Amino acid sequence: ETGVTQTPRHLVMGMTNKKSLKCEQHLGHNAMYWYKQSAKKPLELMFVYSLEERVENNSVPSRFSPECPNSSHLFLHLHTLQPEDSALYLCASSQASDTQYFGPGTRLTVL
Amino acid sequence: QQQVKQSPQSLIVQKGGIPIINCAYENTAFDYFPWYQQFPGKGPALLIAIRPDVSEKKEGRFTISFNKSAKQFSLHIMDSQPGDSATYFCAAKRSGAGSYQLTFGKGTKLSVIP
Repeated sequence: ETGVTQTPRHLVMGMTNKKSLKCEQHLGHNAMYWYKQSAKKPLELMFVYSLEERVENNSVPSRFSPECPNSSHLFLHLHTLQPEDSALYLCASSQASDTQYFGPGTRLTVL
Repeated sequence: QQQVKQSPQSLIVQKGGIPIINCAYENTAFDYFPWYQQFPGKGPALLIAIRPDVSEKKEGRFTISFNKSAKQFSLHIMDSQPGDSATYFCAAKRSGAGSYQLTFGKGTKLSVIP
């Protein structure tokens, strides 16, 4: 595997479910990001981790909970989501605050 | 102050044409301006980037023009091909340690007709 990988690629969940999105980067970077991409809106930065420490949290609802166990892995834990949370969730990585490289995303549908 | 305004929202050109996508920013602290290309089912991929110390940068068929005084920058695609059909995002950020926030435009969906 090369670059940034994300699993699963597609996820359908009910509002009462708990699920997790996984991201792994194979680039040797030390910063990782979660973005939300909705139709006709700019990409929204959700969280940034640098050296496994959260450095940005852009007013994201608590039903989204990130976890960064090491510099290569990033998780987004989801619980009691709303239908408006349906979107493409993108993971990215970078070396420090340099160029960001994105994964393919997880298409999330909340019923 | 944090917005990046991108236009047009969509663009259709004939093969061989030169689509132009424009972006404008407000925050004068921004000093790094990348363009990303996104195909359906894929994440955005870095295409080309520019810093404000130059007015133009070219990589293959892709050219960024930068106007610092007007706080505008644009992407030109020379000799466009059907394979260039994708959504293009401009973005802007401050350089430097600890500056992680990348502000994106809303995107331009480009269709190149054979």
